[in-house]
Amino acid sequence: DQQVKQNSPSLSVQEGRISILNCDYTNSMFDYFLWYKKYPAEGPTFLISISSIKDKNEDGRFTVFLNKSAKHLSLHIVPSQPGDSAVYFCAAPYPLYDSARQLTFGSGTQLTVLP
Amino acid sequence: NAGVTQTPKFQVLKTGQSMTLQCAQDMNHEYMSWYRQDPGMGLRLIHYSVGAGITDQGEVPNGYNVSRSTTEDFPLRLLSAAPSQTSVYFCASRVREQANTEAFFGQGTRLTVV
Repeated sequence: DQQVKQNSPSLSVQEGRISILNCDYTNSMFDYFLWYKKYPAEGPTFLISISSIKDKNEDGRFTVFLNKSAKHLSLHIVPSQPGDSAVYFCAAPYPLYDSARQLTFGSGTQLTVLP
Repeated sequence: NAGVTQTPKFQVLKTGQSMTLQCAQDMNHEYMSWYRQDPGMGLRLIHYSVGAGITDQGEVPNGYNVSRSTTEDFPLRLLSAAPSQTSVYFCASRVREQANTEAFFGQGTRLTVV
């Protein structure tokens, strides 16, 4: 059973508008989250992360919000650009008790930014 | 700095054949891992290693074998290929010092088993 879920397989947004990608998780003990971006025929690349002690982290056009009570995080891209068109994965390190913990990923959301 | 390098980029196998997917990193990262990406399922962990000589199973290890004889290399072996192993495979590495550091991924190997 997936512990990190992305329920929207795709999202289309007009250039210049805001893109909001959502991610839900089931384990309230997760303490760190990462977002990855993936272009076709390339490997995923790290985009932004957030620790559970924060509720927001910002890096340029990208902001991640964490709502621990709802077990929900979202990635905001403002303004969206055509080059942002990619698959976005959210991920969390697991298992929590293991210092060598690996990443568990959501199923991804394909973002298409229309010119 | 090459980062994480995977070879080959594409491969077609017949059912029952064996092969090795190569992964090498030049960042001196202790942790390395293999994932497979399938439509609608994200990336799933196959095997991982926390250092030379140490490997462990991930979420979907059946049908795959790994070894880690050096820090740089982490090959993934398919023992007897099956159509269910048709997928895109990604190798990743990250530093050991912090458990929450991001992983660096290779460009992937697209495998088709017929």
